[in-house]
Amino acid sequence: AIQMTQSPSSLSVSVGDRVTITCRASQAIRNDLSWLQQKPGKAPKLLIYGASTLQSGVPSRFSGSGSGTAFTLTISSLQPEDVATYYCLQDYNLWTFGQGTKVEI
Amino acid sequence: EVQLAQSGAEVRKPGESLTISCQGSGYTFTNNWIAWLRQTPERGLEWMGNVYPDDSDTRYSPSFRGRVTFSADKSISTAYLQWSSLQASDTAMYYCARRTVVALIEYFDYWGQGTLVTVSS
Repeated sequence: AIQMTQSPSSLSVSVGDRVTITCRASQAIRNDLSWLQQKPGKAPKLLIYGASTLQSGVPSRFSGSGSGTAFTLTISSLQPEDVATYYCLQDYNLWTFGQGTKVEI
Repeated sequence: EVQLAQSGAEVRKPGESLTISCQGSGYTFTNNWIAWLRQTPERGLEWMGNVYPDDSDTRYSPSFRGRVTFSADKSISTAYLQWSSLQASDTAMYYCARRTVVALIEYFDYWGQGTLVTVSS
């Protein structure tokens, strides 16, 4: 089974900061990766798919990059409403989530 | 507007059976696989498997095969997740999600609101 490892597990930032979250796959997964955002008490929400394609309606401050085994989610200027836990999800072989990164202000 | 509406929270005793549902609207329900996912504080988010509403074809994660059953009734645009004998370890939040495939890229683009299942004696 493909393992997904996110880092860091949590981070505390300020409004306006640039935030970078990393996800590493235990084997190459091409660009078969999406990023999701989950706010407390809510269902996950798709942000990015295909490693770098922004889902419709998602603010452009979110971006994704990477291919193979290393991927990055970047928030260019953190807003208060971005407080959430972020997950990567691979779909190269079945589906496996990262353990999540909690972003706090 | 695409929506997936899940059934309400459930409380059951160990050994009891349970079926929860996920009703789609705002799109052609038979065109997309529906995924079921589990979330717990201990194990995080886990993919359980998928069901294809058009013909009720199913795919199960090895971790959940034999423990749960997926089904669908396309006439009412509803997918189901069923347990025949619950265990305390089944206590979790369960989500359904729509699987979309575009140019060989797959993703879960719409999610239900979640169904909390509590199994306790």
